Amino acid sequence: QVQLVQSGAEVRKPGASVKVSCKASGYTFIGFYLHWVRQAPGQGLEWMGCINPNDGDTKSAQKFQGGVTMTSDTSISTAYMELTRLSFHDTAIYYCAIAYASGPYGVYFYYGLDVWGQGTSITVSS
Amino acid sequence: QSALTQPPSVSGAPGQRVTISCTGTSSNIGAGYDVHWYQHLPGTAPKLLIYANTYRPSGVPDRFSGSKSGTSASLAITGLQPEDEADYYCQSYDSSLRGAFGGGTKLTVL
Repeated sequence: QVQLVQSGAEVRKPGASVKVSCKASGYTFIGFYLHWVRQAPGQGLEWMGCINPNDGDTKSAQKFQGGVTMTSDTSISTAYMELTRLSFHDTAIYYCAIAYASGPYGVYFYYGLDVWGQGTSITVSS
Repeated sequence: QSALTQPPSVSGAPGQRVTISCTGTSSNIGAGYDVHWYQHLPGTAPKLLIYANTYRPSGVPDRFSGSKSGTSASLAITGLQPEDEADYYCQSYDSSLRGAFGGGTKLTVL
């Protein structure tokens, strides 16, 4: 079945970096934009950005431009999201997701994000 | 501040109908971009409830429905059940194909 499996929880100090992975299975990895969404404690969902594994094209929310790097390795069907210069405000659960209903190479924004990873907890603590 | 505005909370008794609004701008919903709705329970991944304004994914009860008009959209839940108590989010995109979520609405079933 279609599945996204994320890496485990991480704890980092302020100023450090962290890289979260999202391994895809059960579908054509290069056919779907892979989105990243986070939720800080007590806050709402926040769309961070997305990457097209087919060509590496990325789109980021303005807030995250410069501080978030999204990449993918098509040989192992895995996407990565790296956060640099971490601050306490980056403590959150990070999710990866795709709009699988859009179909391969479909128009993702016409469809909602219907397949999600289980989430990765990132804690920034001194 | 979210590009999409939702009420922080709504409530209703079992069996009642509630609606949750989502107000956007001429850059997102008003530009014709579709609205999607999610249900989020603590400790779980968000669940897609409505996509493309009005469509329900397979398995979502028909008690959930969506609509869109102008720069706004709404999620309606009829026949409210205790298990509907959750946070609800709308989502859309802008002309740069960047996404955004609403601030979220906490639904309390009285």
